[in-house]
Formats: sequence, C-alpha cells, structure tokens
Amino acid sequence: KAGVTQTPRYLIKTRGQQVTLSCSPISGHRSVSWYQQTPGQGLQFLFEYFSETQRNKGNFPGRFSGRQFSNSRSEMNVSTLELGDSALYLCASSPGWEVGQYFGPGTRLTVT
Amino acid sequence: ELKVEQNPLFLSMQEGKNYTIYCNYSTTSDRLYWYRQDPGKSLESLFVLLSNGAVKQEGRLMASLDTKARLSTLHITAAVHDLSATYFCAVSPQGAQKLVFGQGTRLTINP
Repeated sequence: KAGVTQTPRYLIKTRGQQVTLSCSPISGHRSVSWYQQTPGQGLQFLFEYFSETQRNKGNFPGRFSGRQFSNSRSEMNVSTLELGDSALYLCASSPGWEVGQYFGPGTRLTVT
Repeated sequence: ELKVEQNPLFLSMQEGKNYTIYCNYSTTSDRLYWYRQDPGKSLESLFVLLSNGAVKQEGRLMASLDTKARLSTLHITAAVHDLSATYFCAVSPQGAQKLVFGQGTRLTINP
C-alpha cells in the first residue's frame, strides 16, 4: 500500500499570503489529522477529520482551517501568514486508534 | 489539559550500553504511542500500547505502559549507532481522536 502523501513538500510564502496544503491518506483510512512541528513548540495537534467531519480541533487561531473530501483526501489552509507559521506540517491517517497513526513526509513551510 | 513529559530530552550514550527513556502524562489514558524521527524526516511508528501492563518489543527496543502511574518507558538494549534519532511518546486523551506529544528525546549513540 502506498503511504500518506503530502504536497507540496516545500513552500516559501510571504507574510500576509495564504497557503493550502494537501494530504492523501493511505487507502481505506478515513481519519486524517494534521500537526504542526516547530523547534520551539514541538509537535502540536491542529485538527482531525473523519468522513468529512471535523471531530477535534487544536488550540490554533481561526486562520488555520481544514477540510476533508469524500475520498478522504484532506486540505489545510492558513490565511494571513505570519512568520511564526514557519513549520513542518505533518498529515497523518489512521484506520483506527488501536493501530495508531501513519505520518506523511510533511510540508515544510517557510514564511518570509 | 493533558500534558506529556519526556526525560531525558537529550541522551548521548555509547554503543553496547542500555538506557531508558521515560514518558509521563498528566491525565488518565490507556492509549500511548512511541515514534521515531530521523533528522529532516517524518515520524515512524514504533509501538502502540493500549492497556495497563502492555509490553512490546522490536529488536533492541522495548516499550511498556503503566496506566496507574501514567508512565511509559522505552528501553534500549545494547545500543547501536543506527538507533540514533529523536524519540517521541504521544498520548491520546480519552474520548478524543488526537495525539498529545512529549518534547522528544534526542538520542545520540557513539561508537
């Protein structure tokens, strides 16, 4: 089975712009989660989707949003980018919590 | 709010030695996960621990969970250089489908 894929892998944006990141889960996995990883804050949960519904949301401002499509693919959007949004954004998919989450390679976002 | 703390945060050890990484968490949960991350790479799942007393082993790594003490350990036996990486524990709060991560333990194994 193919693993979790994320596009793009690298992105450079300017403050104030917006960005959309994409994630394709492992086939058959209906739960998709997003995490932000920074040197200062570590790994932080953004949100989780299951069957197109957001089930959980982390403690991030409303500039961070996401959605899931009927084929389980997910996107996250960050509007009005700030320098502090520079991070590795990881997507993970899961068939169930007894198995755990499988992480994609990440999208490294740099905001200048 | 669930908090997860790992110690040590940095560990430098010699090949052939044994050591343990500790993961403490603050609220009740029986879902704990260990991940490995190599520099510039994503997270690789190592162990899934879902009940009190659970013990899992893979090669030179062994993980255990004590839900009453809210403690998990990752034990490294006869370390080899290939195990150099950052190790994260993560806990899923009861009733929530999300992971709360520890700070990570950066492990360096020297020949």
